[in-house]
Amino acid sequence: GENVEQHPSTLSVQEGDSAVIKCTYSDSASNYFPWYKQELGKRPQLIIDIRSNVGEKKDQRIAVTLNKTAKHFSLHITETQPEDSAVYFCAASKNNAGKSTFGDGTTLTVKP
Amino acid sequence: GAGVSQSPSNKVTEKGKDVELRCDPISGHTALYWYRQSLGQGLEFLIYFQGNSAPDKSGLPSDRFSAERTGGSVSTLTIQRTQQEDSAVYLCASSPRDRGQDTQYFGPGTRLTVL
Repeated sequence: GENVEQHPSTLSVQEGDSAVIKCTYSDSASNYFPWYKQELGKRPQLIIDIRSNVGEKKDQRIAVTLNKTAKHFSLHITETQPEDSAVYFCAASKNNAGKSTFGDGTTLTVKP
Repeated sequence: GAGVSQSPSNKVTEKGKDVELRCDPISGHTALYWYRQSLGQGLEFLIYFQGNSAPDKSGLPSDRFSAERTGGSVSTLTIQRTQQEDSAVYLCASSPRDRGQDTQYFGPGTRLTVL
């Protein structure tokens, strides 16, 4: 089955700096890669996603890049703010075929 | 529209008792997941329902855990003879699997405490 590895497990940055979280996946047939943000005491919520026919996607301060050859994708957050502090999860799945697989999560702390 | 709902929001039980946790997914979503999340930990997959297919039960930690999904909608997770290590937040998520994309919408979770 699919295996998703996520790094780093914890990340601390100064407000205004950029943060990058990386995930690798094992199944070359995976073609959908969402990122979820879970604030303390809250439920995970989708923040951005990318399909395998796209190399990069941006939404204001967040972006996701995908390298299909290397089987890895990354979340980029620019101009970080304290409210970006949360746990971020990546995931991978295939079209209509079986469950998604999540990474173990990254705890991001943005220091003011 | 209404999101995913779960009940109860909190459940305190004694070791050895059975508990039932309920999930109401978003209407029309064909996929439904149960996860377990211990404090400060990641999402531990438990079980996955997709349409009329046989559920993927590969994540259930023991035979004390079971789940069903009735009529392709509401799901119930049952834990028999609860143990203290079962204490965690149990999250349910549903997905429309539109165009094959498995975008999951999570419920608020049920916090289970086994004394």
